[in-house]
Amino acid sequence: AQRVTQPEKLLSVFKGAPVELKCNYSYSGSPELFWYVQYSRQRLQLLLRHISRESIKGFTADLNKGETSFHLKKPFAQEEDSAMYYCALQRAGSYQLTFGKGTKLSVIP
Amino acid sequence: DAGVIQSPRHEVTEMGQEVTLRCKPISGHDYLFWYRQTMMRGLELLIYFNNNVPIDDSGMPEDRFSAKMPNASFSTLKIQPSEPRDSAVYFCASSLSRELFFGEGSRLTVL
Repeated sequence: AQRVTQPEKLLSVFKGAPVELKCNYSYSGSPELFWYVQYSRQRLQLLLRHISRESIKGFTADLNKGETSFHLKKPFAQEEDSAMYYCALQRAGSYQLTFGKGTKLSVIP
Repeated sequence: DAGVIQSPRHEVTEMGQEVTLRCKPISGHDYLFWYRQTMMRGLELLIYFNNNVPIDDSGMPEDRFSAKMPNASFSTLKIQPSEPRDSAVYFCASSLSRELFFGEGSRLTVL
């Protein structure tokens, strides 16, 4: 069975500091990895996916199959980045998403 | 499109009562998912449907939980009888591709 681990429940950084939200996964096949975000009073929504290899709102994430990780990074945190972030895994051939427990990012002004 | 619509947004009930949560997916989406969110366990997939057919219900906790999708625009999640440990936020999500679109959730409190 697949598993997604986000080791930090809460991460606090100062505005302008770099951010790294950790995500590790266990899955024997080739997964698709995603980051979803939930801003205060908003719906859970897709932030980015590994196959698109794009930067969204300054965030990037690289899939490292050797380390089975998909860490989310941003060089300079902004106050509006404060939110709950969830890493999620999708098995090959399936639409089912397995989520980590989430990391709450707090950006201090 | 208003997105995925869930009702009720909040429900407070007493142990033993029946609870029905409702979901209207985005028009044209052929996948529908029910998730439960708790502090302890995070987001757990309960069941999902493809073209109104249940595909995987292995996440449904026990027989007290049931879900239906009678047509492409409506799904229900029913808990009967409800218990305090069922207190959680229940999310519905729909999908046409790999991206899931979530509703605002139904916060259930069972006293």
